[in-house]
Amino acid sequence: KNEVEQSPQNLTAQEGEFITINCSYSVGISALHWLQQHPGGGIVSLFMLSSGKKKHGRLIATINIQEKHSSLHITASHPRDSAVYICAVMKSSGDKLTFGTGTRLAVRP
Amino acid sequence: GAVVSQHPSWVICKSGTSVKIECRSLDFQATTMFWYRQFPKQSLMLMATSNEGSKATYEQGVEKDKFLINHASLTLSTLTVTSAHPEDSSFYICSAPGQGASYTFGSGTRLTVV
Repeated sequence: KNEVEQSPQNLTAQEGEFITINCSYSVGISALHWLQQHPGGGIVSLFMLSSGKKKHGRLIATINIQEKHSSLHITASHPRDSAVYICAVMKSSGDKLTFGTGTRLAVRP
Repeated sequence: GAVVSQHPSWVICKSGTSVKIECRSLDFQATTMFWYRQFPKQSLMLMATSNEGSKATYEQGVEKDKFLINHASLTLSTLTVTSAHPEDSSFYICSAPGQGASYTFGSGTRLTVV
């Protein structure tokens, strides 16, 4: 069983919809990252969380350390949000990341 | 913010030749660089961890002699794919840990071996 599980694997939404991507992990972590990978391959770090909630524009990320669960929400989704969203955990600071399998999001106009 | 510059962004090479991929930290010192490989529609897989001034640590199943990693300075780490074969065609990306638990990724290199 993977240490980091994401759901759903694939998600198609209509423009404007509210989107939630979930991540569960089974190990102790120092931080959790949400990453965005566009079709060209480049990866952008969206959030780094160790507790609570963070918001950046239309993106919101939450984490529940006790339940070992994190969610990424996209409000008012737009076709430009179409990408693969990856959850990754770090067991200790400076350590390698352990990745989830990613969620492929397609937002239709 | 922290930037890791990765070059080339794409390369096509003939079977049997070697290809070097560079990752430079532009505004910070990267004592550690993680090298990942990603096959189509699959997750990133860690290949090796390079540390400035010491030998790289390779993940199980990754051939050290085939994927040569050098981290000679605090701002430059390189991955050389030696004697490349078509099955080495993949997307290679580097990443450096930054302040606290932050991470910065290079833009990736798409390697095609023909």
